[in-house]
Amino acid sequence: RKEVEQDPGPFNVPEGATVAFNCTYSNSASQSFFWYRQDCRKEPKLLMSVYSSGNEDGRFTAQLNRASQYISLLIRDSKLSDSATYLCVVNLGANNLFFGTGTRLTVIP
Amino acid sequence: GAVVSQHPSWVICKSGTSVKIECRSLDFQATTMFWYRQFPKQSLMLMATSNEGSKATYEQGVEKDKFLINHASLTLSTLTVTSAHPEDSSFYICSARDPGTSGTYEQYFGPGTRLTVT
Repeated sequence: RKEVEQDPGPFNVPEGATVAFNCTYSNSASQSFFWYRQDCRKEPKLLMSVYSSGNEDGRFTAQLNRASQYISLLIRDSKLSDSATYLCVVNLGANNLFFGTGTRLTVIP
Repeated sequence: GAVVSQHPSWVICKSGTSVKIECRSLDFQATTMFWYRQFPKQSLMLMATSNEGSKATYEQGVEKDKFLINHASLTLSTLTVTSAHPEDSSFYICSARDPGTSGTYEQYFGPGTRLTVT
């Protein structure tokens, strides 16, 4: 079983739509969680950390459910510039980062 | 966030030659850097953890004699792909943790190096 699993998509949504991605992780000892964004042929860039209490940054909201071992990312009012691959990343502590395969989002005009 | 650079960003080499990739932390000192590889439509896979002043720690299945890592200073780690073959063609990305954000385990990535071996 993979450490981190994501629906690869693609998700094709119209501009202005709300879209949500989920990610599950297998190790209950996982300590910290992140969403990264990766554009085609570019490096991943940190979008936001995910806290137990949930956190929001503008149009982006991240949630963590430790009991069910999943994290989510909600994007409201989608923009064309949101088109990218969103990577779910789980940290088991120290240097053990595990990446999901990513969910590809395309926002359509 | 912290800035990590990589050089070169793109390289084409012939089979059997060696290629060196540099990773630098520009505005912080990194005792630990990480080297990843990403094949098309796949997730990033950690190859090795580079430790300043000591030997790198390689992940299972990664040949340490083929992928030489040197972390000679707190701001520079290098990955040398020795005797490269076409199957080594991939996107190589380094990352580092900013000690100023200790406790959060956030990693900042370099822009990546696209290696094509012909």
